[in-house]
Amino acid sequence: EIVLTQSPATLSLSPGERATVSCRASQSVSSYLAWYQQKPGQAPRLLIYDASTRATGIPARFSGSGSGTDFTLTISSLEPEDFAVYYCQQRSNWPPETVFGGGTKVEIK
Amino acid sequence: QVQLQESGPGLVKPSETLSLTCTVSGGSVSTGIYYWGWIRQPPGKGLEWIGYIFYSGSTNYNPSLKSRVTISVDTSKNQFSLKLSSVTAADTAVYYCARDKGGYGGTLDYWGQGTLVTVSS
Repeated sequence: EIVLTQSPATLSLSPGERATVSCRASQSVSSYLAWYQQKPGQAPRLLIYDASTRATGIPARFSGSGSGTDFTLTISSLEPEDFAVYYCQQRSNWPPETVFGGGTKVEIK
Repeated sequence: QVQLQESGPGLVKPSETLSLTCTVSGGSVSTGIYYWGWIRQPPGKGLEWIGYIFYSGSTNYNPSLKSRVTISVDTSKNQFSLKLSSVTAADTAVYYCARDKGGYGGTLDYWGQGTLVTVSS
């Protein structure tokens, strides 16, 4: 079973600053990793899939990189609406089992 | 635009069976490339995958929940359902249904709004 470890658990930043969230997989997942944003009381929203492809309607300030076991979500300049919790996620091909990282809270400093 | 909507009781007694249904609109559960899944989130905690069903009815479950979980699909109603037996307070969570767009990697591209299920007597 693949384990996804996110760091840091909490990131305290100001609007306009750059946010960097890491996700490490316990074994190689190639480029098959997704990122989600979740705000309080809302369902997660897909941001990035296949490690670096932005989902429809996602602003260009969100970017993803990495392959193998190390991945990064970067928000180039934080907007007020970006303060939220971010999760990485991956599904194995067979059997199809999905795992999530523990989450990173990006909070206002 | 695909939409998913969870429905079911918000309160379940300990030792009973939790039952939820996800109704899909704007798309078909019979499309043979997607997985349809359930994910839950205990209050204040992270996301936990529960299981998937394919349109054919084949399923796969989280090993930690496998003995208590059943996911089924009703293509005539464009719905899929979750049953979780012998619930305890630890099963209190927001339950989400979601679509996995298939292929490699497993991207959950559409989610329901979630429904809170509380396990309490």
